[in-house]
Amino acid sequence: AQSVTQLDSQVPVFEEAPVELRCNYSSSVSVYLFWYVQYPNQGLQLLLKYLSGSTLVESINGFEAEFNKSQTSFHLRKPSVHISDTAEYFCAAVSGAGSYQLTFGKGTKLSVIP
Amino acid sequence: NAGVTQTPKFQVLKTGQSMTLQCAQDMNHNSMYWYRQDPGMGLRLIYYSASEGTTDKGEVPNGYNVSRLNKREFSLRLESAAPSQTSVYFCASSGDRGFQPQHFGDGTRLSIL
Repeated sequence: AQSVTQLDSQVPVFEEAPVELRCNYSSSVSVYLFWYVQYPNQGLQLLLKYLSGSTLVESINGFEAEFNKSQTSFHLRKPSVHISDTAEYFCAAVSGAGSYQLTFGKGTKLSVIP
Repeated sequence: NAGVTQTPKFQVLKTGQSMTLQCAQDMNHNSMYWYRQDPGMGLRLIYYSASEGTTDKGEVPNGYNVSRLNKREFSLRLESAAPSQTSVYFCASSGDRGFQPQHFGDGTRLSIL
């Protein structure tokens, strides 16, 4: 079974500074990877996903993540964060096409400091 | 656009009581999901429905039942609530017969005393 590890439970960062949220998964066999964002008192929103093709995927609000098969990682990065990026971020993975059993990491709380 | 709507938003139950959490989506999506979120645990899949008329167990189905009433609605029932079921419950949907929920409701915060 797939497992997902988010290495940091909380990440404080100053506004306009870069940030990296780390995510590692357990198996690289036909793995599909996702990042979700959860703002306070809301449900999750799909931020970006890697299914196949280019290992670098981008979201519409400036985040990007790179699939690294050799390191079994899918870290999320943003070169310059805004106050509005304060939220909890979840990495998720599924093994194999057609599986509904998406496994989530425990989440990383990003706090952007003015 | 309403997206995914969950009712109620908050509920307090006593141990042994039953209740049904309602979920409806207006995006004509085939797949719907129920998750629970506990502090420091991420989300865990309770049940999912790949299409109208089908339901399947997820990672933590014990103590729950579901009904896919029609394409729009997917309800979650607790027959005899237990304190271990205190959690935040999220309904989600996906337009593809795939595995990644794309749209989530705002959650139901359920406390069982």
